[in-house]
Amino acid sequence: DIQMTQSPSSLSASVGDRVTITCQASQDISKYLNWYQLKPGRAPKLLIYEASNVEVGVPPRFSGSGSGTDFTFTISNLQPEDFATYYCQQYHNVRGTFGPGTKVDIK
Amino acid sequence: EEELVEYGGGLEQPGRSLRLSCTASGFTFEDYAMHWVRLAPGKGLEWVSGITWNSDTLEYADSVKGRFTISRDNVKNSLHLEMSSLRVEDTALYYCVKGAAGGIFDCWGQGTQVTVSS
Repeated sequence: DIQMTQSPSSLSASVGDRVTITCQASQDISKYLNWYQLKPGRAPKLLIYEASNVEVGVPPRFSGSGSGTDFTFTISNLQPEDFATYYCQQYHNVRGTFGPGTKVDIK
Repeated sequence: EEELVEYGGGLEQPGRSLRLSCTASGFTFEDYAMHWVRLAPGKGLEWVSGITWNSDTLEYADSVKGRFTISRDNVKNSLHLEMSSLRVEDTALYYCVKGAAGGIFDCWGQGTQVTVSS
């Protein structure tokens, strides 16, 4: 099975900051890496698909890059509504695996 | 608008069974793979099970393999998860999820809570 790691596990940031989260796959997954946002009491929300494509309706301050085994997720100009937990996810043969998550909270 | 609504959760004792269901609307259900993902207290998102559009392929996380069974009814636009031999560690909010091409989980239900406790 493909394993996913994320770092950091948590971070504190201020409104207006640039935040970067990394995700690593245990084997080559090409571009098949997605990013989700999870807030308490809300369903997870797809933000980025296939490593770098921003989902419709998602603000452009969210971006992603990478391929193979190493991926990066960035929030530029952090907004109050962005404080949440973020997960990367890979998919292979009907099996999906999430990273352990990165909690972004207020400094 | 695409929508997924889960039901069937509740409180159950260890070793017992529970059946979750999900009703889909707003998209052509039979065109998509479907999945169950759970969120346990204090833990992260965990993919539980997936099923292809025609039920040809069923996959399970190692933590539930042999205990949970996924199925779907493309006539009734419904997805199911039969959970047996429940364990305390199965306690979680269970989400029904639409799997677009390439495994993009682009539509999620609000979740149904499963609590396993004696």
